[in-house]
Amino acid sequence: EAQVTQNPRYLITVTGKKLTVTCSQNMNHEYMSWYRQDPGLGLRQIYYSMNVEVTDKGDVPEGYKVSRKEKRNFPLILESPSPNQTSLYFCASSFWGRGSGANVLTFGAGSRLTVL
Amino acid sequence: AQTVTQSQPEMSVQEAETVTLSCTYDTSENNYYLFWYKQPPSRQMILVIRQEAYKQQNATENRFSVNFQKAAKSFSLKISDSQLGDTAMYFCAFRPGTASKLTFGTGTRLQVTL
Repeated sequence: EAQVTQNPRYLITVTGKKLTVTCSQNMNHEYMSWYRQDPGLGLRQIYYSMNVEVTDKGDVPEGYKVSRKEKRNFPLILESPSPNQTSLYFCASSFWGRGSGANVLTFGAGSRLTVL
Repeated sequence: AQTVTQSQPEMSVQEAETVTLSCTYDTSENNYYLFWYKQPPSRQMILVIRQEAYKQQNATENRFSVNFQKAAKSFSLKISDSQLGDTAMYFCAFRPGTASKLTFGTGTRLQVTL
């Protein structure tokens, strides 16, 4: 089944304790991205990657890191989490171009992160 | 920078009725893509419908259709014969043809009632 898998789905942590949210897709998509969703703000892009070893900042990159060493994986790293990073996080992937399925993001199930 | 505006934070519709969700966007691009995503209580993001700006014909997917007004930069979603399962948050999204970023609106929460 074509899908984007992210883990953990739920996490409660404390300020300053480094954590990683993993994201993996099995569709051979070049493009991957991380979003955070907060009430009243919609989804805001954190980082995105056009392909292996190519990453770039989105709208709200502060406090986050990413890497793209393999095409299928795009982990989100919070080096020193703070309470304002409490949010619902989504990983998504796609291929750009024309044709069926192009430009459509496939989302993971979401990761609810709470930083105390 | 592109912006996407959904001016209706919440809407309600009775089962079997028709409802229209509004979305406007701001861009200087001529080639772009527009999307409506649905987020039910399960939180999963599900594509409802998409529209390519170069296509004049409005996209339709079963009970879902759009009214794409390129000059007015408007992209509304019409849901016909509303069903209880349509209860969800709906997000409008925009992607320029030459860029990789997808910009979302703030969402419209739709409640379908009996």
